[in-house]
Amino acid sequence: DAKTTQPPSMDCAEGRAANLPCNHSTISGNEYVYWYRQIHSQGPQYIIHGLKNNETNEMASLIITEDRKSSTLILPHATLRDTAVYYCIVSRDTGGFKTIFGAGTRLFVKA
Amino acid sequence: DTAVSQTPKYLVTQMGNDKSIKCEQNLGHDTMYWYKQDSKKFLKIMFSYNNKELIINETVPNRFSPKSPDKAHLNLHINSLELGDSAVYFCASSQELLGFKGNEQFFGPGTRLTVL
Repeated sequence: DAKTTQPPSMDCAEGRAANLPCNHSTISGNEYVYWYRQIHSQGPQYIIHGLKNNETNEMASLIITEDRKSSTLILPHATLRDTAVYYCIVSRDTGGFKTIFGAGTRLFVKA
Repeated sequence: DTAVSQTPKYLVTQMGNDKSIKCEQNLGHDTMYWYKQDSKKFLKIMFSYNNKELIINETVPNRFSPKSPDKAHLNLHINSLELGDSAVYFCASSQELLGFKGNEQFFGPGTRLTVL
């Protein structure tokens, strides 16, 4: 699975959009981009995933660049409860893969 | 209803002991996983089972033995516990093996294991 790079931390004002970047320059054609988050002392929570098209659900939007080497997770109206560590991972569409959550981005949403 | 549950939530034990962590999912998923999150918060996969069959075993010491009595359960047994085994262990499940058709994983609340 391709490696991802994320900034270690970010701040966001409550009510504003939080844009979390992720670089995955070695991504291959059959690898999906996934985003999870982990609120303190809880298990990771799935947010969204995509292959090459932009995706939106009730939690967030995922923007994937045309070359698929980077993506951005957008929380449109961040709340204090969105304070968490956000993980970007890529995983291919076959069995026998590895999934390693890296350090992620610690997002602080401030009032 | 809890989708993925783990017991116990906290486990404190002495070095050399044998302990088990249980995991159950009520989502009807075919695939279950065990992850270890260390003190630096890196979350690494340990095992994956698909329809009770071991799919992934990621260089985990053979002191760790997963057991899947049925599709809804994946228990983790650890023999001869060591200090370095102290971590938070997460169970997870997905409909199919993660990455296949881009399906998502659901995680349990975690079990914090402390080895003294």
